[in-house]
Amino acid sequence: DIQMTQSPSSLSASVGDRVTITCRASEPIGPFLNWYQQRPGRAPRLLIYAASTLQSGVPSRFSGRTTGTDFTLSITNLQPEDFATYFCQQSSRVPPTFGQGTKLEIK
Amino acid sequence: EIQLVQSGAEVKKPGESLKISCKASGFSFTSYWILWVRQVPGKGLEWMGSIHPEDSDTRYSPSFQGQVTISAAKSITTAYLQWNSLKASDTAMYYCARYNLGDNDLNWFDPWGQGTLVIVSS
Repeated sequence: DIQMTQSPSSLSASVGDRVTITCRASEPIGPFLNWYQQRPGRAPRLLIYAASTLQSGVPSRFSGRTTGTDFTLSITNLQPEDFATYFCQQSSRVPPTFGQGTKLEIK
Repeated sequence: EIQLVQSGAEVKKPGESLKISCKASGFSFTSYWILWVRQVPGKGLEWMGSIHPEDSDTRYSPSFQGQVTISAAKSITTAYLQWNSLKASDTAMYYCARYNLGDNDLNWFDPWGQGTLVIVSS
């Protein structure tokens, strides 16, 4: 199975800050990388697919990039509703696998 | 509106059976794979398996093969996840989601159901 490693596992930031979360795959996966947001007590929600394509309805302060095996999710101008846990997921090979999550907390 | 609505929370005893459901609406149910994901409280997400409702073609993660059964009923646009004999270690939140396939085999999960909490305790 492809292992997905996220960093950091937790992060503190303030409203208005910019943050970046990184996800690394254990082997090359091309653009087959998705990002999800999970607010407390809620289901995951798709934010970005194919490494950098913003899902319809997701604010433009979210963005995704790739440098090969490393992927980043950036959030600019943090809003209160952005404090949540973020997961990456590789969709290159079965079984699809997720990172362990990054919990974004209010400083 | 495209949505998946799951059945309510369950509290069961070890050894009991259980079938939870995921009702789809707003899209052609037989045109998409539906998958199930497990989330143990406070932990990450694990893909359990997927089903194509058109012909009930089903794929399982090796970790869950033989432990659960995934099925679907086309006539009522509903997918199911079933256990014959629950264990305490099955305690988790279970999500269904739709598998979307784009250009060049790019794929993603959206939308997700709201989740069904299963608690197995004696």
